Amino acid sequence: AQTVTQSQPEMSVQEAETVTLSCTYDTSENNYYLFWYKQPPSRQMILVIRQEAYKQQNATENRFSVNFQKAAKSFSLKISDSQLGDTAMYFCAFMTPYNQGGKLIFGQGTELSVKP
Amino acid sequence: DAGVTQSPTHLIKTRGQQVTLRCSPISGHKSVSWYQQVLGQGPQFIFQYYEKEERGRGNFPDRFSARQFPNYSSELNVNALLLGDSALYLCASSLGQGAFLETQYFGPGTRLLVL
Repeated sequence: AQTVTQSQPEMSVQEAETVTLSCTYDTSENNYYLFWYKQPPSRQMILVIRQEAYKQQNATENRFSVNFQKAAKSFSLKISDSQLGDTAMYFCAFMTPYNQGGKLIFGQGTELSVKP
Repeated sequence: DAGVTQSPTHLIKTRGQQVTLRCSPISGHKSVSWYQQVLGQGPQFIFQYYEKEERGRGNFPDRFSARQFPNYSSELNVNALLLGDSALYLCASSLGQGAFLETQYFGPGTRLLVL
């Protein structure tokens, strides 16, 4: 069974600085997707970034980038130039292929606070 | 374009009652998934539907059921409510074009409180 682990329950960062959130996962699959979702206090789950396992190049979306280490099964999120609006719960998630239900498996979350 | 919509936003029920939650996917999306998020935890997968067929089911009791309509909207039903069913119920939609893997986009959720 696939599992996702986020070992940092809480983190804080000063505005404009850089922070990295950690995530590890376990799977025997070779083809899968990994995601970071953001859930602000308003509770809407928002997609931050996606990484396809077959791609060696790390995904980047503006201030958000990932460090994907497939062999180590590690998938960390780097937020550059942190903004107050980045304050939220961040979830790392693994997607199973559709022949296994096509479901997202989430980690426990990391609560990020950006301080002025 | 409108995102995923869910109704109602909040709901209060008592133990033993039944509840129906509704979800409309993003226009053009044919697949809907349901997740339960207990306070302080990550979401847990309940169901996935594609073209009105159940494609996946999580580890939830038979009190939980769902269906998808011809317009791709979906309902989640929970019977014989327990206190432990209190949670945020999230709906997510994806294109459902038969791709092996697809991105899921979430709605705002329905907060259910069981007293």
